[in-house]
Amino acid sequence: GESVGLHLPTLSVQEGDNSIINCAYSNSASDYFIWYKQESGKGPQFIIDIRSNMDKRQGQRVTVLLNKTVKHLSLQIAATQPGDSAVYFCAENIGGNQFYFGTGTSLTVIP
Amino acid sequence: EAEVAQSPRYKITEKSQAVAFWCDPISGHATLYWYRQILGQGPELLVQFQDESVVDDSQLPKDRFSAERLKGVDSTLKIQPAELGDSAMYLCASSSGTGLETQYFGPGTRLLVL
Repeated sequence: GESVGLHLPTLSVQEGDNSIINCAYSNSASDYFIWYKQESGKGPQFIIDIRSNMDKRQGQRVTVLLNKTVKHLSLQIAATQPGDSAVYFCAENIGGNQFYFGTGTSLTVIP
Repeated sequence: EAEVAQSPRYKITEKSQAVAFWCDPISGHATLYWYRQILGQGPELLVQFQDESVVDDSQLPKDRFSAERLKGVDSTLKIQPAELGDSAMYLCASSSGTGLETQYFGPGTRLLVL
């Protein structure tokens, strides 16, 4: 299968700081990416997506950056809050609307 | 806001027993997915339906797992017999089925096999 990996398995940030979660993907044909947030005991929750014809997309407090040259994706969370503590997954689609998930990054926000 | 429904939320069973999980996708969503998520890992696709047809079940252990979506709406995933290694979170997701689009997940069923 395709490889979707995260550089940092855990990340701790102070409340109010910005968080950056990184993701590497291996398939240059991937054309659609989604970031999901998963809280303990719950299903993944959609945060933001980006298609390969874009380099950047912004949502509420979140920004996703896509660098196709180095096959790298990042999720930036502004003014991180305790409620942002969760595991974050990047999901990569290469067709058939099937997604391959990385192992996730655990974000802990320190009050 | 429309959501994917799953039941039960938790299931404890003994090995060699049969278990079944139910999923009701977002209304109107043609595509339905079952994933298995082992603790500490990302979800892995087991089976994908388009309406009532299986699109991909290449990762479904067919000797013990089965999935159906008879009327193209809700779906059932069954394990028989359950094994210790089946302990995991079973997630259902759906998408509209109109092309490349977001999948929305349900809350999952946490299975523990003793």
